[in-house]
Amino acid sequence: RKEVEQDPGPFNVPEGATVAFNCTYSNSASQSFFWYRQDCRKEPKLLMSVYSSGNEDGRFTAQLNRASQYISLLIRDSKLSDSATYLCVVNQAGTALIFGKGTTLSVSS
Amino acid sequence: DAGITQSPRYKITETGRQVTLMCHQTWSHSYMFWYRQDLGHGLRLIYYSAAADITDKGEVPDGYVVSRSKTENFPLTLESATRSQTSVYFCASSLDRGQFNEQFFGPGTRLTVL
Repeated sequence: RKEVEQDPGPFNVPEGATVAFNCTYSNSASQSFFWYRQDCRKEPKLLMSVYSSGNEDGRFTAQLNRASQYISLLIRDSKLSDSATYLCVVNQAGTALIFGKGTTLSVSS
Repeated sequence: DAGITQSPRYKITETGRQVTLMCHQTWSHSYMFWYRQDLGHGLRLIYYSAAADITDKGEVPDGYVVSRSKTENFPLTLESATRSQTSVYFCASSLDRGQFNEQFFGPGTRLTVL
């Protein structure tokens, strides 16, 4: 089983749609969780951290379920500028970040 | 604010040649990292460094050498390039262990080994 698994997509949605991405991780000792965004042929950038209680940043909501080892990202009211690849990232204490392969989102007008 | 830069941005080389990819950050971040990104694999850690003169292997270190004589620089050397090392290489940095999680990435170097 891969350490961090994501549905690669692509997810093709119209502007204004709500879209959700899921991610599972294999190591129950993982302590920190994140979503990074990567635009085509560019470097990854931190989108948001994921906290146990769930957290929201504008149109973006992240959820963590430790029991199921599952992380989600919800994007509401999708914009054309949201088109990118979203990377699920896990930090196992004392080691480096483990990146998922990413989920590609394409928002069309 | 220059941030984190990489050079060259594009490089074509031949099998067997030595290649050095440069990474420079202006934030005085303690941690620096080298990743490679390939289709079907996502980002994989090659080496990382917690401070000057301290380096450690990541997931895929074979065929690579790193050094960190100064905090701001973290060069990656391919001692004898192979076709399998064709990839996009990203350098990243983070402030300290407490901020280990937020890594700031450079723009990447696209390396082709013929």
